[in-house]
Amino acid sequence: EPEVTQTPSHQVTQMGQEVILRCVPISNHLYFYWYRQILGQKVEFLVSFYNNEISEKSEIFDDQFSVERPDGSNFTLKIRSTKLEDSAMYFCASSESGHSNQPQHFGDGTRLSIL
Amino acid sequence: GNSVTQMEGPVTLSEEAFLTINCTYTATGYPSLFWYVQYPGEGLQLLLKATKADDKGSNKGFEATYRKETTSFHLEKGSVQVSDSAVYFCALRGRSNDYKLSFGAGTTVTVRA
Repeated sequence: EPEVTQTPSHQVTQMGQEVILRCVPISNHLYFYWYRQILGQKVEFLVSFYNNEISEKSEIFDDQFSVERPDGSNFTLKIRSTKLEDSAMYFCASSESGHSNQPQHFGDGTRLSIL
Repeated sequence: GNSVTQMEGPVTLSEEAFLTINCTYTATGYPSLFWYVQYPGEGLQLLLKATKADDKGSNKGFEATYRKETTSFHLEKGSVQVSDSAVYFCALRGRSNDYKLSFGAGTTVTVRA
């Protein structure tokens, strides 16, 4: 069964550094998403992306964050000037379409640790 | 805005016991409802879904019915196994241009042999 893949599985970065989290969505999917889960808290939506544009973003997704689809297969989340509170598990997801009845399929996540 | 309230855990059961995890939601209109499961060390996997009132989603022996009158989507399984030990998340997605999933806090279930 096709799956969403994320790399790396664990990233350790010094505070203030930039980090790029990578995702390969399912190949025929058109909508892409990033979520995060801070330890002990809910899974929170960050951003959705379609047709090379952000379609929706949360208040968490400020100027520190950006997303990009640099080629036909990868979808990246960049965090500039990381802060301690950015430490979390980051999940990438994709869906075939934007219809609300379409499930989003998740990767295994990248655990980001900011020191 | 949309929100999901999920039964607090952790829940510990013996094998073959009956499992219920309560989930209620607040949303405008008619959202789609989902249950996701996270096994240890893995990502979120879709377990089942229901997209309109009175729909029943089912998978791997789990069931949940979309109850509009009580705004609920409780997850049930009649006879759990050790392999069902995981974290279970209830989630909803609104209509139209609302692309995000709103998640409950997750319920940790441990099944003992």
